[in-house]
Order: sequence, then C-alpha cells, then structure tokens
Amino acid sequence: KAGVTQTPRYLIKTRGQQVTLSCSPISGHRSVSWYQQTPGQGLQFLFEYFSETQRNKGNFPGRFSGRQFSNSRSEMNVSTLELGDSALYLCASSLAPGQYNEKLFFGSGTQLSVL
Amino acid sequence: AQTVTQSQPEMSVQEAETVTLSCTYDTSESDYYLFWYKQPPSRQMILVIRQEAYKQQNATENRFSVNFQKAAKSFSLKISDSQLGDAAMYFCAYRSRTGNTPLVFGKGTRLSVIA
Repeated sequence: KAGVTQTPRYLIKTRGQQVTLSCSPISGHRSVSWYQQTPGQGLQFLFEYFSETQRNKGNFPGRFSGRQFSNSRSEMNVSTLELGDSALYLCASSLAPGQYNEKLFFGSGTQLSVL
Repeated sequence: AQTVTQSQPEMSVQEAETVTLSCTYDTSESDYYLFWYKQPPSRQMILVIRQEAYKQQNATENRFSVNFQKAAKSFSLKISDSQLGDAAMYFCAYRSRTGNTPLVFGKGTRLSVIA
C-alpha cells in the first residue's frame, strides 16, 4: 500500500507569490491534516479535512487555505508569500477523524523556501 | 489549551545503551492519547508508540517503552539497546479523545547515537 505522497518535495518562491502544495493520502483514508514545521515554532496545526469538509482550522491567517477533493486528495494554498512562511509543510492522513484507534500517517513533507 | 513540553533539546547515547527522553504536558482533560513520533533525516514522521490515558499499564513496542505518570502529567520514552538508526528528532504529542482537536506537539528532542 502506498504511503502518503506529498508533492513537490522542495519549492522555492519569492515574496508576494502564491504556492499550492499537494497531498495524496493512503488509499481508503478520508481524513487529511496539514501541519507547518519550523525550527522556531515547531509543529503547528493548519487544518483538517474529512469528506471534502474542513473540520478544524488552526490559528493561521487567511492567506493559508486548503481544500479536499472527492478522491480525498488535498491541496493547501498560501497566497502573498512572506519570508516567515518558509517551512516544512507536512500532511497526515487517517481513515476518519476521532476514531478510538485512529492512527495518523505522515508524508515526507514539502520544504518551502521563500526568498 | 493543551501544551506539551520537551525540556531536552538534544540528547546523545552510546550504541547499545539506554536513553530516556522526557515529556510533560498540561491539560484539564482526563481522556486523551499521548504519542511519541520519530522524524529521521527523511523528514517523514513515524509513530513510535502510543498511550491511552485511561490505561495504567505503560505501552511498549520492542525496544521502546514509556513511563506514563498521569498525576504528574509526565510521559517519558525509554529506548533500550540504542541503534544507529534511532538517531532522529523525537516529538511528544497529545490529542484529546473528546471534541474536535488536532495533535499538539512538543518542540522535539534531537537524539544522536554514538558508535
């Protein structure tokens, strides 16, 4: 069974541009979560999607948005990039959120550098 | 809001020896999960071990075991017979079993294994 796939692995953008990151969950998984990882702030929750609906959202500005498609694949978009958006963006999938034995499986992330 | 604290930014251990990574958390809830995740240089977060708060018995997974002290809100990870492949960042994480809440991560501990 293929794992969580994130594309691209690396991305370099300049301030003011926008970027779209993609996440394909494990087959059969319907829940996708996104996290931002930086050396200073650690791992911070961005948002969670289940069956194309956003279930939860972290404390990030409106420049960060996401969506989930009918095949459970998810994208996140960051508009008007700032230097502080440079980070590793991790995606995690699970069968469904809130289940007793829920397990999250993470991808290898997209490393975004904003110049 | 729940918080997770890892007080050891870096640790080192000799190969074949035992090391303990510390984690404390703050919550007013009684029903929750605790996790240890490993992040090797490949960047993929890998679940090492999970503990349900209602279980008094400490979880074990081969060479990995935890010391869960609910009253003290402490959740340490013990790695026995350390191997070179154990070198990685280790993150402690918390998730409530109730409500619609994401994983809350600590800042991580970088573990080095010395041959």
